[in-house]
Amino acid sequence: RKEVEQDPGPFNVPEGATVAFNCTYSNSASQSFFWYRQDCRKEPKLLMSVYSSGNEDGRFTAQLNRASQYISLLIRDSKLSDSATYLCVGDFGNEKLTFGTGTRLTIIP
Amino acid sequence: DAGVTQSPTHLIKTRGQQVTLRCSPKSGHDTVSWYQQALGQGPQFIFQYYEEEERQRGNFPDRFSGHQFPNYSSELNVNALLLGDSALYLCASSVTGQETQYFGPGTRLLVL
Repeated sequence: RKEVEQDPGPFNVPEGATVAFNCTYSNSASQSFFWYRQDCRKEPKLLMSVYSSGNEDGRFTAQLNRASQYISLLIRDSKLSDSATYLCVGDFGNEKLTFGTGTRLTIIP
Repeated sequence: DAGVTQSPTHLIKTRGQQVTLRCSPKSGHDTVSWYQQALGQGPQFIFQYYEEEERQRGNFPDRFSGHQFPNYSSELNVNALLLGDSALYLCASSVTGQETQYFGPGTRLLVL
């Protein structure tokens, strides 16, 4: 079983809709979690860190449920520019990042 | 302030050859991590360098080796290239003890 698992998609969503991604992890010793965004043929870029208390950055909300070993990302009022691959990432110690396979999102005009 | 830089951007090699990829970290960063990203997959951790030593390593064979220099820049070497080594190689830099890693644009390696 992979340490970090996410639905690869693709998710095709109309502009303005709300979309949610989920991710599960198997290593209960996990310390920190993140969502990274990766555009086609580009490097991953940090979107946001994920905390148990939940955190929000504009249209983006991330949540961590340690009991269920589950992470989520919610994007409200989606824009065309949100089209990308979203990578769920865990830091299971010593700053070594473990990535999921990524979920591909396409926003349709 | 320059971000993480990598060279070359693209590289084509043949099976059995050796390759060296280079990374310069973000200013003020002392830790460099290398990742391999195959097509359609998430990045996979190769190894991490701090204070010129390999601090930890992922599940990659000894053909993959690296180095960190006193100025914190780093190299990734791959010997005896295989077709399966074709991938995007990403370098990420960070300040040790801080959780955020910043990625460079990557080097695309094609092994024929």
